[in-house]
Amino acid sequence: GAGVSQSPSNKVTEKGKDVELRCDPISGHTALYWYRQSLGQGLEFLIYFQGNSAPDKSGLPSDRFSAERTGGSVSTLTIQRTQQEDSAVYLCASSLVGPAIEQYFGPGTRLTVT
Amino acid sequence: AQSVTQPDIHITVSEGASLELRCNYSYGATPYLFWYVQSPGQGLQLLLKYFSGDTLVQGIKGFEAEFKRSQSSFNLRKPSVHWSDAAEYFCAVGGNDMRFGAGTRLTVKP
Repeated sequence: GAGVSQSPSNKVTEKGKDVELRCDPISGHTALYWYRQSLGQGLEFLIYFQGNSAPDKSGLPSDRFSAERTGGSVSTLTIQRTQQEDSAVYLCASSLVGPAIEQYFGPGTRLTVT
Repeated sequence: AQSVTQPDIHITVSEGASLELRCNYSYGATPYLFWYVQSPGQGLQLLLKYFSGDTLVQGIKGFEAEFKRSQSSFNLRKPSVHWSDAAEYFCAVGGNDMRFGAGTRLTVKP
């Protein structure tokens, strides 16, 4: 079946603008994760959705970052008033029943803030 | 909260040589441990994982890793490296959420 998809693959935006990044998880996967990978850095956990539970937002770096997951499927990560330090690759992953199970990663969205 | 340390930012080995990538974790209970590989222009792919049982786990592409509780380590090994193994390798520990290390970049010399 189809893997995790993300759109857009690349996004260039001006400082101060809002951006929305989309993630389509694998069908049937109840858990969805967002990570940020800055140049030369590891993966920074941002947010975790599991079923209908309240999301774990502990990794969001500031209140400019938010995410939603509609209908337990598609997720949107929104960054408001973007800053240059937000430039990174944003990765989405999904898994079957929770974080102890293998996560399947999307190709990522490369965000560049000019 | 759990954390992962990969002490080596960059490692260079010759093709055919053996490889060991280090990973140390901090976690309050029996950890779920993973190694992922990210090849240039590719997404992250799971190499292997440890949940319980045998502490030596086999993965894809000839990789293996050994869980050592006393050392809080989960080092990745391969007996003979191929040029196609050049990539970024990430160790991760899971639990209520997952934490990734900063990664080790592997360069393979011909």
